[in-house]
Amino acid sequence: EDKVVQSPLSLVVHEGDTVTLNCSYEVTNFRSLLWYKQEKKAPTFLFMLTSSGIEKKSGRLSSILDKKELFSILNITATQTGDSAVYLCAVGPGGAQKLVFGQGTRLTINP
Amino acid sequence: EAEVAQSPRYKITEKSQAVAFWCDPISGHATLYWYRQILGQGPELLVQFQDESVVDDSQLPKDRFSAERLKGVDSTLKIQPAELGDSAMYLCASSPAGWWGNEQFFGPGTRLTVL
Repeated sequence: EDKVVQSPLSLVVHEGDTVTLNCSYEVTNFRSLLWYKQEKKAPTFLFMLTSSGIEKKSGRLSSILDKKELFSILNITATQTGDSAVYLCAVGPGGAQKLVFGQGTRLTINP
Repeated sequence: EAEVAQSPRYKITEKSQAVAFWCDPISGHATLYWYRQILGQGPELLVQFQDESVVDDSQLPKDRFSAERLKGVDSTLKIQPAELGDSAMYLCASSPAGWWGNEQFFGPGTRLTVL
């Protein structure tokens, strides 16, 4: 059974801190790993990773994939209160385009 | 910017009643997904359509849930009868044809509360 596990499940930090969120996966066929940010509504897309070792970057957010060790990390530097959200990791195992989601990491940034 | 539309945004119902949710994907997107997200968990795929055909409904509780996409455009998800455990966010997403495990565009969701 395809599985995506995120850690930690919950994280509370102060504004300005740097955080690292983890995502490990076990899928039959791997095509891509996606990160989404979810506030009190639908998930919004952050990154899609398909190749190992190539960092994707957008402002203070960055992510990298390790296909050998089957995990990805999402880094957020200089965190702001607006970064508070649930961060979801999803893996596309190929075939029927199905995405398998992890349970999410709830990030809280305190001022 | 094109968006996935869903309605209603919120629905409160009593158990044993019937409920229906509607989704209109981004124009031209051949693939449509219905997910259920229980509070504190990640979304779980209920059903996936490619045009009007069901591609994957292995996690759809078929004794009470049904989904259709008759003309390959908008879609309806129905629950009859609703149970307390159905309380969740129901998310619709779409993606263009030929995307394999790539970005899916989500609608705002329907939050269902079953009393």
